[in-house]
Amino acid sequence: QVQLKESGPGLVQPSETLSLTCTVSGFSLTSYSVSWVRQPSGKGPEWMGRMWYDGDTAYNSALKSRLSISRDTSKNQVFLKMNSLQTDDTGTYYCTRDSPRYGGYIGYFDYWGQGVMVTVSS
Amino acid sequence: DTVLTQSPALAVSPGERVSISCRASEGVNSYMHWYQQKPGQQPKLLIYKASNLASGVPARFSGSGSGTDFTLTIDPVEADDTATYFCQQSWNDWTFGGGTKLELK
Repeated sequence: QVQLKESGPGLVQPSETLSLTCTVSGFSLTSYSVSWVRQPSGKGPEWMGRMWYDGDTAYNSALKSRLSISRDTSKNQVFLKMNSLQTDDTGTYYCTRDSPRYGGYIGYFDYWGQGVMVTVSS
Repeated sequence: DTVLTQSPALAVSPGERVSISCRASEGVNSYMHWYQQKPGQQPKLLIYKASNLASGVPARFSGSGSGTDFTLTIDPVEADDTATYFCQQSWNDWTFGGGTKLELK
């Protein structure tokens, strides 16, 4: 079955870099795109960026200067790196599977990982 | 960015019908999707492209709308539906609403 699992540090110092890994199973990264979505506590989610199935990337314009997404298809992993973290970057970070390509791209998120809580604090 | 506006909260009694609205700041065609999130859990896809029921979702859930105004309807509401509901559009990049918290009386 389709699964996504995020891993990474729960605490990051202000101005430091956040590194997260999403390990997927049950589908291929060359057939489906994977997005990173974050959610501050008590607020709506925010789409951060995407690793397209073909290896291309897309980023939220508000985060583009700080964000990098990459992948290792041999390990079924997608990586997120975001630098210059501040306290308002605190929240739960999810990786999600994008909707299927067949029939035309629609753009919803059909599977989500359990999320990893990241706190930015000294 | 396309801003999605939702009412913060609603309270209904079990067995009633409830409609949760989402208004987009600009037209998104029918590219609106709905999620349910229970406390401590990840969001779960309910409806995609305005009115299509996601796999495994009960038929009590339905969606409607196009352009800028969309509605998620639950009929009848059950106790297990207590959750926060988010809309998300994918016509102009990808943005989410702030969520509507559904409470049962």
